Amino acid sequence: EAGVAQSPRYKIIEKRQSVAFWCNPISGHATLYWYQQILGQGPKLLIQFQNNGVVDDSQLPKDRFSAERLKGVDSTLKIQPAKLEDSAVYLCASSPVRGGRGLTDTQYFGPGTRLTVL
Amino acid sequence: AQSVSQHNHHVILSEAASLELGCNYSYGGTVNLFWYVQYPGQHLQLLLKYFSGDPLVKGIKGFEAEFIKSKFSFNLRKPSVQWSDTAEYFCAVNPNILTGGGNKLTFGTGTQLKVEL
Repeated sequence: EAGVAQSPRYKIIEKRQSVAFWCNPISGHATLYWYQQILGQGPKLLIQFQNNGVVDDSQLPKDRFSAERLKGVDSTLKIQPAKLEDSAVYLCASSPVRGGRGLTDTQYFGPGTRLTVL
Repeated sequence: AQSVSQHNHHVILSEAASLELGCNYSYGGTVNLFWYVQYPGQHLQLLLKYFSGDPLVKGIKGFEAEFIKSKFSFNLRKPSVQWSDTAEYFCAVNPNILTGGGNKLTFGTGTQLKVEL
């Protein structure tokens, strides 16, 4: 079974530039997550999709971050404009359940995109 | 809001030593608990998980964890570590609350384990 795919693996940009990350979840997984992992910290959830709808984006800095999951499969996370503090690894994960009331299951993670903002 | 604490940020052990990594969480309701591992240069992988039933959970590569509800803990153990266990270990909690947006993981800050030959 193919895992979660992410691209690019590395990205270096200057502050105020924009950047986009792409994620392809495991086939058939309805729920997709984007996490931000700053060096020395654990991953922090930014946004959660169920199919192509947003379930939770309470920790997404909406003034500069946006995400979409058109057609309920691939997803794109964008940062515009980037700040120095956005330097982190951006992880995509997917899980095979709907993430609804009382339902839970394992999340499978991709390799991440390491973003450096200069 | 729930939180997860991992007490040891860096642990250095010799091969064959026993390992115990602490994990405590703050949430009073039903939880699901996970340990993930990240080997150097690789992505996060599931080590083991607890959803319900026997509080002693066995995972891959000889790891196990014990859920102690009264202590809000889910410590990871391995009786004899190997050099290949060198990695970063993350504890994570899903509060499984009955609201929209379930399956939201909260991670600890991670423990970097180095096993020396």
